[in-house]
Amino acid sequence: TQLLEQSPQFLSIQEGENLTVYCNSSSVFSSLQWYRQEPGEGPVLLVTVVTGGEVKKLKRLTFQFGDARKDSSLHITAAQPGDTGLYLCAGPINQAGTALIFGKGTTLSVSS
Amino acid sequence: GAVVSQHPSWVICKSGTSVKIECRSLDFQATTMFWYRQFPKQSLMLMATSNEGSKATYEQGVEKDKFLINHASLTLSTLTVTSAHPEDSSFYICSASNSKGAGYGYTFGSGTRLTVV
Repeated sequence: TQLLEQSPQFLSIQEGENLTVYCNSSSVFSSLQWYRQEPGEGPVLLVTVVTGGEVKKLKRLTFQFGDARKDSSLHITAAQPGDTGLYLCAGPINQAGTALIFGKGTTLSVSS
Repeated sequence: GAVVSQHPSWVICKSGTSVKIECRSLDFQATTMFWYRQFPKQSLMLMATSNEGSKATYEQGVEKDKFLINHASLTLSTLTVTSAHPEDSSFYICSASNSKGAGYGYTFGSGTRLTVV
């Protein structure tokens, strides 16, 4: 079974600061997804990265997939209070499976 | 885009009773749906994979007789928590995909907050 280690677990920053969240595994993933979840809601897909070394940008969010497809990062530039939430990385549970396994998540709090 | 509707959004039940949670794909057909459980301040844990027209596949440690899953149509999967106990209180979330697999991401329902008293 593949595992995803996510860090940091908690992050509390001021508006305008930059931050990076990491998602690491000892296993190779065919793809990784990043989700954002707000309290009492289901996760919402932010991005899917498929190719090793791939970089995707979503406004102030930059996602990178490691060259070896074992890790990914999420970088937020000039964080805003609206970015507050739980950020989850996820990947296919195994080579043949279609279910996802999730990292433990990073709870981000951005104060103004 | 793909929309997954989950109902109810919250439910409170007495210990020993059963609760049914519905998960519907509104604008696409989902041959496979997934049920997750999330405890406070924790991540999502896969409980089972629901396959249309066949038995669900449960993850290790999940009691199939306690968490009954039915996927009778391509747009509906239900999770029934039988003889609920306070330790079953959790946030239950379903997901589905109309794509070719996990490589393309999933749409999640809005979740059901179950409280057993």
